[in-house]
Amino acid sequence: AQSVSQHNHHVILSEAASLELGCNYSYGGTVNLFWYVQYPGQHLQLLLKYFSGDPLVKGIKGFEAEFIKSKFSFNLRKPSVQWSDTAEYFCAVNGYSGAGSYQLTFGKGTKLSVIP
Amino acid sequence: DTGVSQDPRHKITKRGQNVTFRCDPISEHNRLYWYRQTLGQGPEFLTYFQNEAQLEKSRLLSDRFSAERPKGSFSTLEIQRTEQGDSAMYLCASSLEISDTQYFGPGTRLTVL
Repeated sequence: AQSVSQHNHHVILSEAASLELGCNYSYGGTVNLFWYVQYPGQHLQLLLKYFSGDPLVKGIKGFEAEFIKSKFSFNLRKPSVQWSDTAEYFCAVNGYSGAGSYQLTFGKGTKLSVIP
Repeated sequence: DTGVSQDPRHKITKRGQNVTFRCDPISEHNRLYWYRQTLGQGPEFLTYFQNEAQLEKSRLLSDRFSAERPKGSFSTLEIQRTEQGDSAMYLCASSLEISDTQYFGPGTRLTVL
């Protein structure tokens, strides 16, 4: 069974600080990787995704993530956070679950609070 | 608005009552998924449809839960004899292909008193 581990439950940063949120997954096969964001009072939105190719992927709002296959990691980064980045961030893995199906597995999420 | 929509957004019910939620996926998406999210957790997979066929169910989906997707369009999730432990956010998502990006609706927040 696949699993996703997000290292930090709650991260507090000042505006302009750099951000890195850790994500490790456990799965033996080919996976698609996602970061979703949930702003206060809003629904889950796709931030970025990795399917194949360049392991450094860029998403919306200046976010990027790097897939390191040997470390089973897909860490999210942003060089300079803004107050509007305050949200909960979820890493997710979509791997083949058998019986012809894929299953999206989420981490527990990291709550980011940015202080103006 | 061409995103995933869910109805109702909030539902408060008494223990033992039945509730039904509706999800309307993005129109061209033939894959539809239901998830449950509790406080402090990420969404957990419940079940998945390809068109009208329910192809996979999580062991989280007890026999009190049933989901349908008649005609391969909207879907309903029914919970019978609700329990306090059913209190959660129920999320619906849809995708074009099985391994593709899933787009989420706003969710239905269920509170069982």
